[in-house]
Amino acid sequence: QSVLTQPPSASGTPGQRVTISCSGSSSNIGSNYVYWYQQLPGTAPKLLIYRSNQRPSGVPDRFSGSKSGTSASLAISGLRSEDEADYYCEAWDDSLSGRVFGGGTKLTVL
Amino acid sequence: EVQLVESGGGLVQPGGSLRLSCAASGFTVSSNYMSWVRQAPGKGLEWVSVIYSGGSTYYADSVKGRFTISRDNSKNTLYLQMNSLRTEDTAVYYCAKDVDSSGSSYWGQGTLVTVSS
Repeated sequence: QSVLTQPPSASGTPGQRVTISCSGSSSNIGSNYVYWYQQLPGTAPKLLIYRSNQRPSGVPDRFSGSKSGTSASLAISGLRSEDEADYYCEAWDDSLSGRVFGGGTKLTVL
Repeated sequence: EVQLVESGGGLVQPGGSLRLSCAASGFTVSSNYMSWVRQAPGKGLEWVSVIYSGGSTYYADSVKGRFTISRDNSKNTLYLQMNSLRTEDTAVYYCAKDVDSSGSSYWGQGTLVTVSS
């Protein structure tokens, strides 16, 4: 059971906009930044969003992050087949004094 | 260019020990927050430990008292000493360079640790 809650799956068609949610609590998302990763099969995770809504250089602006209260979201617009991957959210948890991840969302491009 | 190369994984019996290494290039390990994150086969990501630039360390409850994170500044290398290994420690272990107290911007390729009799 992950501390952060994500839907196990999401899907969309090419060109569509999809969002992936991440729900936490006051000790993690409610008081700290959220980070999002993309993991393609057999590869290491790649940072997509840092400090809740910032994109590292090289990440397309099709990817965006937002946070409100104890929840966060990752939005992917103009969906492409290469976006098919697992997506994870993450935050620091003040109560645990450690980092916590969501269980991951498998995105399928139909 | 930032590079992280893990080594030291392998097969070990329950109760055994293993030391993972992560050789870094393109930046200075001691000036950054560095983490270990693991992923059990077919499962999600699990944070293991972090060492701050100032030397403070934190551990996940699941490994506290068994694992030790450290670094060798002269070798620009991060380590994870794993003792009293359990079958549930079986995973690919990634070392990572962190953005700040959370968030890892660069990841190694991972090294597989299998704990089995």
